[in-house]
Amino acid sequence: DTGVSQDPRHKITKRGQNVTFRCDPISEHNRLYWYRQTLGQGPEFLTYFQNEAQLEKSRLLSDRFSAERPKGSFSTLEIQRTEQGDSAMYLCASSLAAGGSFYGYTFGSGTRLTVV
Amino acid sequence: GEDVEQSLFLSVREGDSSVINCTYTDSSSTYLYWYKQEPGAGLQLLTYIFSNMDMKQDQRLTVLLNKKDKHLSLRIADTQTGDSAIYFCAESIGDNKLIFGAGTRLAVHP
Repeated sequence: DTGVSQDPRHKITKRGQNVTFRCDPISEHNRLYWYRQTLGQGPEFLTYFQNEAQLEKSRLLSDRFSAERPKGSFSTLEIQRTEQGDSAMYLCASSLAAGGSFYGYTFGSGTRLTVV
Repeated sequence: GEDVEQSLFLSVREGDSSVINCTYTDSSSTYLYWYKQEPGAGLQLLTYIFSNMDMKQDQRLTVLLNKKDKHLSLRIADTQTGDSAIYFCAESIGDNKLIFGAGTRLAVHP
């Protein structure tokens, strides 16, 4: 297993366009998380899935953002009508949660979005 | 609310020890973490400590936890130029998400 993969690594888009990012977690991990990191800040939680169910969404996740994990494996994060304030690094992480235990996250390298 | 605070910058000489400090607010946090981020890269888990522990040592890394003061520190012994990076402290909220500090930029000079 090569860890958590994110695609693309970089995306430049014009304001108003839609973008979609993909995350492939570690195969045996049942949880998948999306975080956003802006320059000079730590990552901020956006949402997470357990298998295919989206269990929590942050207030940061406006109506323009939607995330899916249709088969409990890879996930996509779509941003509609992008704004300059959406420019950030979007990080995906996965973890194994079983039997009430939590074994920590593995992060991907992120997708850097620039909205011009 | 949930908040994690870190100093923003630390400069050390190669071979010296580095100590990065962090304070957090959620007393129910089960785990506390230290992550490392190099330029243009994702987050690399360095170490974590369970909330019922006071100290954890892993090779050059020592984590100290003062649960009463909600204070966490990371000591890097014999700091090398390859340790230059941004270090993030994070607390777990339930077992669902992490709250990160803004990161401490560690600069190692000869």
